[in-house]
Amino acid sequence: GAGVSQSPRYKVAKRGQDVALRCDPISGHVSLFWYQQALGQGPEFLTYFQNEAQLDKSGLPSDRFFAERPEGSVSTLKIQRTQQEDSAVYLCASSYSVNTEAFFGQGTRLTVV
Amino acid sequence: GENVEQHPSTLSVQEGDSAVIKCTYSDSASNYFPWYKQELGKRPQLIIDIRSNVGEKKDQRIAVTLNKTAKHFSLHITETQPEDSAVYFCAASNFNKFYFGSGTKLNVKP
Repeated sequence: GAGVSQSPRYKVAKRGQDVALRCDPISGHVSLFWYQQALGQGPEFLTYFQNEAQLDKSGLPSDRFFAERPEGSVSTLKIQRTQQEDSAVYLCASSYSVNTEAFFGQGTRLTVV
Repeated sequence: GENVEQHPSTLSVQEGDSAVIKCTYSDSASNYFPWYKQELGKRPQLIIDIRSNVGEKKDQRIAVTLNKTAKHFSLHITETQPEDSAVYFCAASNFNKFYFGSGTKLNVKP
């Protein structure tokens, strides 16, 4: 596709359940980011990949959050033992190079009940 | 780390008037400043960006100014239209780590 694609669009998880969120970046984009957006707030940085290397994971809120991009393309954000405070929209973005336009996916809305 | 503050949080203008949104940042190493527009339930989309070697950039009704000394940058929308109604986010980036402001909800009244 032409843009960043995320799946699923919506996910309802029971508290304590593990979830996996997928991001397909634009082909050829080196950089990939994950953000968490709470209702009415700006996106909060979670982690950043350059190709397959996770260069920065300082925004991951706890060790329950894990992200990977094993082949430098598709990325997965995994959240273990979900808690209610994990409920948010998770946005993925990719960019061609350093400090160039970041294109966002539609996001995955996670609701933990 | 970088801290980006954005004001106002809400802004209501009459169609045809101008709208100004202001952001400040804390890290003097930040060198790329994009602005994103997010409509309800949709993804953020870039509307304009500016780099630290430029003081002002304009694209039709949208302009951005950057004051590196004061560490602030602003978005200016002229001749506002109802379709400009959305949430606008500023961001500051240093080597690809984007920090976003908390957003401004712009309402353009017809």
